[in-house]
Amino acid sequence: GIQVEQSPPDLILQEGANSTLRCNFSDSVNNLQWFHQNPWGQLINLFYIPSGTKQNGRLSATTVATERYSLLYISSSQTTDSGVYFCAVGFMNRDDKIIFGKGTRLHILP
Amino acid sequence: EAQVTQNPRYLITVTGKKLTVTCSQNMNHEYMSWYRQDPGLGLRQIYYSMNVEVTDKGDVPEGYKVSRKEKRNFPLILESPSPNQTSLYFCATRKGRYNEQFFGPGTRLTVL
Repeated sequence: GIQVEQSPPDLILQEGANSTLRCNFSDSVNNLQWFHQNPWGQLINLFYIPSGTKQNGRLSATTVATERYSLLYISSSQTTDSGVYFCAVGFMNRDDKIIFGKGTRLHILP
Repeated sequence: EAQVTQNPRYLITVTGKKLTVTCSQNMNHEYMSWYRQDPGLGLRQIYYSMNVEVTDKGDVPEGYKVSRKEKRNFPLILESPSPNQTSLYFCATRKGRYNEQFFGPGTRLTVL
């Protein structure tokens, strides 16, 4: 069935390190977003990226729709990057539901 | 300022006592959704609405009702709450099917 899988589930890094978070999806998509949930529970929009590549400061994202995955890159990590990162996907030829992955929990050590 | 508001932000209630969580947006968005977030399960969609008077079930609709009588409001109704509905609830809006979602601040509900 329809699936959204994120990896790794947990990641612990030292401040200054780079990281790559992955989102695999099981079918063609027409909507894909990356979110950061900070330690206070707030969901912050990072990228709307159903295809292509985008960059915003230290963060960038790439979605290869034909191969059914999206990557979120974080460079020069800071402690404020800690939290949980979610991808959320809307699938083509399906209803208007949005499916979230279970997230990657990132912990940046000072 | 563009925003999505939810009320209340925190609620402790007892089993069976009907409650409503309100969601309001000022962005004139067509789509609105409700999600619940539980440890280890991520966010799961409860109901969504594509326009006024148009709603559909998400993946976990049991025990919930919604209505969309006005474009800006999308209340979530729990007619007879049970402890398994203890969760963090988020409302979200988007302009259309192919647009990004914006989330409200969340409502933490505890049902005793």
